[in-house]
Amino acid sequence: DAKTTQPPSMDCAEGRAANLPCNHSTISGNEYVYWYRQIHSQGPQYIIHGLKNNETNEMASLIITEDRKSSTLILPHATLRDTAVYYCIVRAPYSTLTFGKGTMLLVSP
Amino acid sequence: DGGITQSPKYLFRKEGQNVTLSCEQNLNHDAMYWYRQDPGQGLRLIYYSQIVNDFQKGDIAEGYSVSREKKESFPLTVTSAQKNPTAFYLCASHSAGQVPDTQYFGPGTRLTVL
Repeated sequence: DAKTTQPPSMDCAEGRAANLPCNHSTISGNEYVYWYRQIHSQGPQYIIHGLKNNETNEMASLIITEDRKSSTLILPHATLRDTAVYYCIVRAPYSTLTFGKGTMLLVSP
Repeated sequence: DGGITQSPKYLFRKEGQNVTLSCEQNLNHDAMYWYRQDPGQGLRLIYYSQIVNDFQKGDIAEGYSVSREKKESFPLTVTSAQKNPTAFYLCASHSAGQVPDTQYFGPGTRLTVL
């Protein structure tokens, strides 16, 4: 069973921020939160990951709650090219990735 | 260009035939992985290899076989024993200690068995 829970789909207007939630209430102390996205018929693309501190890179920001039971991926200014399935994954060091069904984000003009 | 290549992008085979999917990487990564994806589903791990000449079964290894004779290559054979081989197959690679610590994926091969 997947260790994360995500809404199956979300909509966002182009230019607005997309906030994608993820619940991981059973996360262990050594597990990181990873986000990937998959554009239709392509391989998944790494976005960002974190342990307990908030993280930001050129693609997105990751906000992890203090109890680490949930997180939010933020795309600050969504574009049409951000339309994809977004996967939230918890992973311990040296372990494999387990993908759930993710959230289908549709960015509309 | 550094990266992972999978070939071909589309592959058609008749039922009962074995087929081998290619995966090559020039990232000097130690570990390589094969995943299967069905429509509307997430990725499921078939096999992975953390070092040359060694590999482990993933969650859905039945009907598949792999080899890892070279660091750069991790071919996947879909045998006739695989009951539902039609799917999107993805290869990935990873190296411990890299920054960021993540897997990099190839473009995938879409296999259709007729």
